[in-house]
Amino acid sequence: AQSVAQPEDQVNVAEGNPLTVKCTYSVSGNPYLFWYVQYPNRGLQFLLKYITGDNLVKGSYGFEAEFNKSQTSFHLKKPSALVSDSALYFCAVRLDGRRDTGFQKLVFGTGTRLLVSP
Amino acid sequence: ETGVTQTPRHLVMGMTNKKSLKCEQHLGHNAMYWYKQSAKKPLELMFVYNFKEQTENNSVPSRFSPECPNSSHLFLHLHTLQPEDSALYLCASSQVLYGSGANVLTFGAGSRLTVL
Repeated sequence: AQSVAQPEDQVNVAEGNPLTVKCTYSVSGNPYLFWYVQYPNRGLQFLLKYITGDNLVKGSYGFEAEFNKSQTSFHLKKPSALVSDSALYFCAVRLDGRRDTGFQKLVFGTGTRLLVSP
Repeated sequence: ETGVTQTPRHLVMGMTNKKSLKCEQHLGHNAMYWYKQSAKKPLELMFVYNFKEQTENNSVPSRFSPECPNSSHLFLHLHTLQPEDSALYLCASSQVLYGSGANVLTFGAGSRLTVL
Protein backbone atom coordinates (compact mmCIF):
# COMPACT_ATOMS: atom_id res chain seq x y z
CA ALA A 1 0.00 0.00 0.00
CA GLN A 2 1.13 3.52 -0.71
CA SER A 3 2.43 5.42 2.28
CA VAL A 4 4.49 8.43 3.20
CA ALA A 5 6.72 8.95 6.22
CA GLN A 6 7.92 12.25 7.60
CA PRO A 7 10.34 11.24 10.34
CA GLU A 8 10.64 14.65 11.98
CA ASP A 9 7.81 16.28 13.87
CA GLN A 10 9.68 19.56 13.90
CA VAL A 11 12.66 21.14 12.19
CA ASN A 12 14.37 24.21 13.61
CA VAL A 13 16.61 26.39 11.50
CA ALA A 14 18.02 29.88 11.73
CA GLU A 15 17.07 32.45 9.13
CA GLY A 16 19.48 32.46 6.24
CA ASN A 17 20.55 28.86 6.74
CA PRO A 18 19.61 26.04 4.38
CA LEU A 19 16.71 23.85 5.37
CA THR A 20 15.71 20.27 4.65
CA VAL A 21 12.41 18.60 5.47
CA LYS A 22 12.55 14.86 5.01
CA CYS A 23 10.10 12.55 3.32
CA THR A 24 10.26 8.90 2.37
CA TYR A 25 7.63 7.01 0.46
CA SER A 26 6.44 3.54 -0.34
CA VAL A 27 4.51 2.94 -3.54
CA SER A 28 3.94 0.28 -6.11
CA GLY A 29 4.83 1.53 -9.54
CA ASN A 30 6.04 5.00 -10.39
CA PRO A 31 5.46 7.55 -7.65
CA TYR A 32 3.63 10.81 -8.04
CA LEU A 33 4.93 12.95 -5.17
CA PHE A 34 3.84 16.29 -3.80
CA TRP A 35 4.69 18.84 -1.15
CA TYR A 36 2.06 21.06 0.42
CA VAL A 37 2.43 23.78 3.05
CA GLN A 38 -0.08 24.88 5.66
CA TYR A 39 0.17 28.29 7.29
CA PRO A 40 -1.74 28.96 10.53
CA ASN A 41 -5.51 29.09 10.06
CA ARG A 42 -5.16 28.32 6.39
CA GLY A 43 -5.73 25.34 4.15
CA LEU A 44 -2.93 23.44 2.48
CA GLN A 45 -1.19 25.13 -0.43
CA PHE A 46 0.58 23.31 -3.23
CA LEU A 47 4.36 23.81 -3.35
CA LEU A 48 5.71 21.40 -5.92
CA LYS A 49 5.35 17.98 -7.47
CA TYR A 50 7.37 15.21 -9.06
CA ILE A 51 5.80 13.19 -11.83
CA THR A 52 8.69 12.21 -14.06
CA GLY A 53 11.88 13.63 -15.52
CA ASP A 54 14.49 15.71 -13.72
CA ASN A 55 15.08 14.52 -10.16
CA LEU A 56 15.38 18.09 -8.89
CA VAL A 57 12.02 19.80 -8.88
CA LYS A 58 11.64 23.52 -8.32
CA GLY A 59 8.52 24.98 -6.78
CA SER A 60 6.98 28.03 -5.18
CA TYR A 61 8.69 30.44 -2.77
CA GLY A 62 12.19 29.21 -3.64
CA PHE A 63 11.59 25.63 -2.49
CA GLU A 64 12.88 22.60 -4.32
CA ALA A 65 12.76 18.88 -3.77
CA GLU A 66 15.02 16.07 -4.81
CA PHE A 67 13.58 12.76 -5.90
CA ASN A 68 15.84 9.83 -5.05
CA LYS A 69 14.49 6.54 -6.34
CA SER A 70 17.12 4.31 -4.73
CA GLN A 71 16.46 5.81 -1.30
CA THR A 72 12.73 6.27 -1.94
CA SER A 73 13.00 9.81 -0.70
CA PHE A 74 11.62 13.18 -1.72
CA HIS A 75 13.20 15.71 0.62
CA LEU A 76 12.14 19.33 0.54
CA LYS A 77 14.92 21.91 0.50
CA LYS A 78 15.56 25.62 0.44
CA PRO A 79 19.01 27.24 0.24
CA SER A 80 18.19 30.13 2.58
CA ALA A 81 15.32 29.98 5.06
CA LEU A 82 13.05 32.90 5.88
CA VAL A 83 11.10 33.47 9.08
CA SER A 84 7.98 33.55 6.90
CA ASP A 85 8.68 29.94 5.87
CA SER A 86 7.61 28.81 9.34
CA ALA A 87 4.64 26.54 8.75
CA LEU A 88 3.50 22.92 8.62
CA TYR A 89 4.78 20.96 5.64
CA PHE A 90 3.14 17.86 4.23
CA CYS A 91 4.56 15.32 1.84
CA ALA A 92 2.04 13.32 -0.18
CA VAL A 93 1.95 10.48 -2.66
CA ARG A 94 -0.80 9.79 -5.10
CA LEU A 95 -2.91 6.84 -4.01
CA ASP A 96 -2.83 5.13 -7.36
CA GLY A 97 -0.20 5.50 -10.00
CA ARG A 98 -2.52 5.21 -12.93
CA ARG A 99 -2.63 8.18 -15.19
CA ASP A 100 -6.05 7.53 -16.55
CA THR A 101 -8.30 8.31 -13.62
CA GLY A 102 -7.38 11.94 -13.18
CA PHE A 103 -8.54 11.98 -9.56
CA GLN A 104 -6.08 13.32 -7.09
CA LYS A 105 -6.45 10.88 -4.22
CA LEU A 106 -3.42 11.61 -2.11
CA VAL A 107 -1.94 9.89 0.92
CA PHE A 108 -0.35 12.46 3.20
CA GLY A 109 2.33 12.21 5.83
CA THR A 110 1.84 13.41 9.39
CA GLY A 111 3.43 16.76 8.64
CA THR A 112 6.63 18.47 9.78
CA ARG A 113 6.53 21.77 11.56
CA LEU A 114 9.26 24.11 10.36
CA LEU A 115 10.35 26.87 12.73
CA VAL A 116 12.70 29.49 11.36
CA SER A 117 14.21 31.72 14.01
CA PRO A 118 15.35 35.30 13.28
CA GLU B 1 -14.68 35.29 -4.09
CA THR B 2 -11.99 33.04 -5.42
CA GLY B 3 -10.62 29.64 -4.49
CA VAL B 4 -12.29 27.26 -2.08
CA THR B 5 -14.49 28.66 0.69
CA GLN B 6 -15.55 26.70 3.73
CA THR B 7 -18.21 27.63 6.28
CA PRO B 8 -18.44 27.74 9.18
CA ARG B 9 -14.81 28.18 10.15
CA HIS B 10 -15.53 26.99 13.68
CA LEU B 11 -18.30 24.75 14.95
CA VAL B 12 -19.03 23.42 18.41
CA MET B 13 -21.71 20.80 18.70
CA GLY B 14 -23.07 18.29 21.14
CA MET B 15 -23.14 14.60 20.43
CA THR B 16 -26.85 14.65 19.65
CA ASN B 17 -26.83 17.66 17.36
CA LYS B 18 -27.19 17.74 13.60
CA LYS B 19 -25.07 20.22 11.72
CA SER B 20 -23.58 20.67 8.28
CA LEU B 21 -20.30 21.90 6.86
CA LYS B 22 -20.37 23.71 3.56
CA CYS B 23 -17.75 24.00 0.85
CA GLU B 24 -17.90 26.08 -2.30
CA GLN B 25 -15.29 26.27 -5.04
CA HIS B 26 -15.03 29.10 -7.55
CA LEU B 27 -12.39 27.51 -9.74
CA GLY B 28 -14.51 25.63 -12.24
CA HIS B 29 -13.15 22.33 -10.98
CA ASN B 30 -15.12 19.12 -11.40
CA ALA B 31 -13.87 17.05 -8.47
CA MET B 32 -14.27 17.77 -4.77
CA TYR B 33 -12.88 16.09 -1.68
CA TRP B 34 -13.33 15.96 2.07
CA TYR B 35 -10.26 15.39 4.24
CA LYS B 36 -10.03 15.08 8.01
CA GLN B 37 -6.99 16.60 9.76
CA SER B 38 -6.26 15.50 13.31
CA ALA B 39 -3.20 16.42 15.32
CA LYS B 40 -0.20 14.13 14.85
CA LYS B 41 -2.04 12.07 12.23
CA PRO B 42 -1.85 12.04 8.45
CA LEU B 43 -4.65 13.75 6.62
CA GLU B 44 -7.41 11.23 6.06
CA LEU B 45 -9.25 11.19 2.76
CA MET B 46 -12.96 10.78 3.53
CA PHE B 47 -14.92 11.29 0.33
CA VAL B 48 -14.31 12.09 -3.32
CA TYR B 49 -16.88 13.41 -5.76
CA ASN B 50 -16.50 13.65 -9.51
CA PHE B 51 -19.15 15.47 -11.50
CA LYS B 52 -21.45 15.23 -8.46
CA GLU B 53 -21.03 11.47 -8.25
CA GLN B 54 -19.39 9.96 -5.21
CA THR B 55 -16.44 7.90 -6.30
CA GLU B 56 -14.75 7.23 -2.99
CA ASN B 57 -15.84 6.54 0.55
CA ASN B 58 -12.92 5.52 2.70
CA SER B 59 -14.83 3.50 5.29
CA VAL B 60 -16.19 6.65 6.86
CA PRO B 61 -18.79 6.10 9.61
CA SER B 62 -22.36 6.76 8.58
CA ARG B 63 -22.63 9.64 11.06
CA PHE B 64 -20.82 11.59 8.32
CA SER B 65 -23.00 12.05 5.27
CA PRO B 66 -21.72 13.92 2.21
CA GLU B 67 -23.81 15.70 -0.36
CA CYS B 68 -22.71 17.19 -3.66
CA PRO B 69 -25.65 18.93 -5.36
CA ASN B 70 -23.48 20.33 -8.16
CA SER B 71 -19.83 20.54 -9.11
CA SER B 72 -19.32 23.77 -7.15
CA HIS B 73 -20.82 22.80 -3.80
CA LEU B 74 -20.06 20.09 -1.30
CA PHE B 75 -21.64 19.49 2.08
CA LEU B 76 -20.75 17.28 5.01
CA HIS B 77 -23.77 16.51 7.16
CA LEU B 78 -22.94 15.62 10.74
CA HIS B 79 -25.16 13.60 13.05
CA THR B 80 -24.59 11.94 16.41
CA LEU B 81 -20.88 12.60 16.39
CA GLN B 82 -18.36 11.43 18.95
CA PRO B 83 -15.72 13.53 20.74
CA GLU B 84 -13.01 11.78 18.73
CA ASP B 85 -14.54 13.29 15.60
CA SER B 86 -13.23 16.68 16.73
CA ALA B 87 -10.80 17.77 14.03
CA LEU B 88 -10.19 20.19 11.19
CA TYR B 89 -12.24 19.21 8.16
CA LEU B 90 -10.71 20.30 4.91
CA CYS B 91 -12.44 20.58 1.59
CA ALA B 92 -10.45 20.50 -1.63
CA SER B 93 -11.13 20.62 -5.33
CA SER B 94 -9.26 19.70 -8.49
CA GLN B 95 -9.78 19.58 -12.20
CA VAL B 96 -10.02 15.99 -13.37
CA LEU B 97 -7.82 15.58 -16.41
CA TYR B 98 -7.99 12.08 -17.71
CA GLY B 99 -4.60 10.85 -18.74
CA SER B 100 -2.82 13.05 -16.26
CA GLY B 101 -1.79 12.44 -12.70
CA ALA B 102 -0.40 15.91 -12.31
CA ASN B 103 -3.40 18.01 -11.37
CA VAL B 104 -3.12 19.53 -7.91
CA LEU B 105 -5.56 19.99 -5.08
CA THR B 106 -6.75 23.41 -3.99
CA PHE B 107 -7.78 23.43 -0.34
CA GLY B 108 -10.12 25.55 1.68
CA ALA B 109 -9.10 26.96 5.05
CA GLY B 110 -11.03 24.25 6.86
CA SER B 111 -13.82 23.99 9.41
CA ARG B 112 -12.64 23.41 12.97
CA LEU B 113 -15.12 21.04 14.60
CA THR B 114 -15.36 20.44 18.33
CA VAL B 115 -17.71 17.75 19.61
CA LEU B 116 -18.59 18.01 23.27
